Amino acid sequence: AQSVTQLDSQVPVFEEAPVELRCNYSSSVSVYLFWYVQYPNQGLQLLLKYLSGSTLVKGINGFEAEFNKSQTSFHLRKPSVHISDTAEYFCAVSEIRAGTALIFGKGTTLSVSS
Amino acid sequence: EAGVAQSPRYKIIEKRQSVAFWCNPISGHATLYWYQQILGQGPKLLIQFQNNGVVDDSQLPKDRFSAERLKGVDSTLKIQPAKLEDSAVYLCASSLLVQPPYEQYFGPGTRLTVT
Repeated sequence: AQSVTQLDSQVPVFEEAPVELRCNYSSSVSVYLFWYVQYPNQGLQLLLKYLSGSTLVKGINGFEAEFNKSQTSFHLRKPSVHISDTAEYFCAVSEIRAGTALIFGKGTTLSVSS
Repeated sequence: EAGVAQSPRYKIIEKRQSVAFWCNPISGHATLYWYQQILGQGPKLLIQFQNNGVVDDSQLPKDRFSAERLKGVDSTLKIQPAKLEDSAVYLCASSLLVQPPYEQYFGPGTRLTVT
C-alpha cells in the first residue's frame, strides 16, 4: 500500500518570494509521482509528474519538483510566486501498473499576499 | 478536446434523501474514476471502471453508494440515503491508459452539502 504525507497544511508567503511545498511518500512498489493544483471551486489540474530519469522535473506555471529516492520525497518549488498561485496543492502517487488509482496527500494551502 | 464534464456542480439535500451525480469522460477514455474529497483532505477513490466493468470498489460504502457505467461511457454515482458525513466534493476523472504515467484528467466536481 502507498501513503503520502504533505508536511505543511498551510504555507503563507509574500509575492515574489520563493516557496517549497514538502511531500514524502511511502510505498513497497515503484510509483509515479504527481503534483496537482486545485483553484477554488475547480477540479484538479496536473502541475507536473515524475516517471523516471532526471530527478528534477519541470512543470507548468514555473513550478518544479525534485525526486529524492533515498528520502522518499518529492518537494515542489517555485523561485518567485505570484498572487495567482494561491490555491490548494496536492501531492499524489500511483503504482506504475496501468490503471491504478491515485493516492493523495491531504493538501497544502498556499496563500500568496502582496 | 472537451474535458471531463460533471453535473450538477452543486447540490444541497437533507439527510436520508437520495442524490445522483453524472459524469461524462473525455471521448475515448476507457477508464473512469470517482473520488470523494472531504473538506481538508485529499481525494479518495470510491470506484474505478474499465469500460463498463468495475475494477476497484473496495472503498465504496456499498450500503448507501452505488455507481454504474452503462455502455462504457457516461457514469452515474448515487447515494441513498445520504448522511451528514457524505458532505464532500465528488470528483470524476478519466484516463486513456495508452502510455505511462497513465495521466488522469479531472472534472470540476460536484459539491454536495447534506443538512
